[in-house]
Amino acid sequence: EDQVTQSPEALRLQEGESSSLNCSYTVSGLRGLFWYRQDPGKGPEFLFTLYSAGEEKEKERLKATLTKKESFLHITAPKPEDSATYLCAVLSGSSNTGKLIFGQGTTLQVKP
Amino acid sequence: GAVVSQHPSRVICKSGTSVKIECRSLDFQATTMFWYRQFPKQSLMLMATSNEGSKATYEQGVEKDKFLINHASLTLSTLTVTSAHPEDSSFYICSASRQGFSYEQYFGPGTRLTVT
Repeated sequence: EDQVTQSPEALRLQEGESSSLNCSYTVSGLRGLFWYRQDPGKGPEFLFTLYSAGEEKEKERLKATLTKKESFLHITAPKPEDSATYLCAVLSGSSNTGKLIFGQGTTLQVKP
Repeated sequence: GAVVSQHPSRVICKSGTSVKIECRSLDFQATTMFWYRQFPKQSLMLMATSNEGSKATYEQGVEKDKFLINHASLTLSTLTVTSAHPEDSSFYICSASRQGFSYEQYFGPGTRLTVT
């Protein structure tokens, strides 16, 4: 069964304190791994897509990496405006509809 | 690019009435649109997948006669909650995939439905 697990559930950082969020997955043939950011009361905002192990993508203070079993979202020198819930999702090779399997998310709080 | 809108952003309705939520892809044509439901402090729960001109595919446990989905064009999908009950109160979010863009989904801002 395709499954996505994110850890930790919640993370509190001081401004400038770098850290990483983890997304572990088991899927029958990974076709893509997606990272989203969601602010309270809003829809998820697309951040990155990763397709193969070893791939990395960056956007401002965020960097996403992918291995055969997990993905990391590294946050360098975070600012309070980075506070949000970060969602990871995978697209399985067995899907013919584009259905994503989402993790439960990591809620990040960055204190000034 | 890849902007998705939803209307309304908030709606309050009485038990037994129906409410329609619109989802539009503003600057691209959407091969597929998805409807999700999200409970407080939980992740997204997929309700159904729809392709333009085809019947929607509902996830197990989702009542297709209660949650009517119409995907009339490549830029518009609607979700109608029929005979709403208080337990249908939730945050409903749509997303859209662009043709030829590797299944990336772009989400709308969501609709907060409250049934009184």
